[in-house]
Amino acid sequence: DSGVTQTPKHLITATGQRVTLRCSPRSGDLSVYWYQQSLDQGLQFLIQYYNGEERAKGNILERFSAQQFPDLHSELNLSSLELGDSALYFCASSASGTPGLTQYFGPGTRLTVL
Amino acid sequence: TQLLEQSPQFLSIQEGENLTVYCNSSSVFSSLQWYRQEPGEGPVLLVTVVTGGEVKKLKRLTFQFGDARKDSSLHITAAQPGDTGLYLCAGASDQTGANNLFFGTGTRLTVIP
Repeated sequence: DSGVTQTPKHLITATGQRVTLRCSPRSGDLSVYWYQQSLDQGLQFLIQYYNGEERAKGNILERFSAQQFPDLHSELNLSSLELGDSALYFCASSASGTPGLTQYFGPGTRLTVL
Repeated sequence: TQLLEQSPQFLSIQEGENLTVYCNSSSVFSSLQWYRQEPGEGPVLLVTVVTGGEVKKLKRLTFQFGDARKDSSLHITAAQPGDTGLYLCAGASDQTGANNLFFGTGTRLTVIP
């Protein structure tokens, strides 16, 4: 158990819909990262937050957004969903945003868009 | 995008054999991590290497970071069925203030009893 929790575990929805994925980092970790893992794209970095502020952006679509709240939990919002958005979405956390620090991954949310 | 290529992509070996997985990039990383991922679960960190040329051992697993911090290898001695999984290398960005990881393409290992 990494100490990172993600809800829900599974999510099935239809194209055009909007969903919210939730992540609680390990106790004391200030930085949260979101990743998308699909069969053909591997594990792709989406976005990083540090202590409530956006720190780095990766291959995140404009239809996707995220935020980190004062209690440090984070939410990833996916809107206007398309079939190609079906994937595993992972959240990870680390103590700070310093390069080289270990990131601990949650169990993931499996999103299926029908 | 800082691309990390792993080879081989798939590997199927008999129990007791040795194997090496490679992770290569043209980019320099401040550190490099190796993860193992089981189906339906998140990646689990195995090791972090931060110094060029560094070698770390974890039981039957030996990890090496290239001198130029652009590549790494994972060697498994006497593989066991429990080693089966997806092995991912990940480089930490050298950019100041960022710690996003760039993941490799992955090596799916199957160890046959």
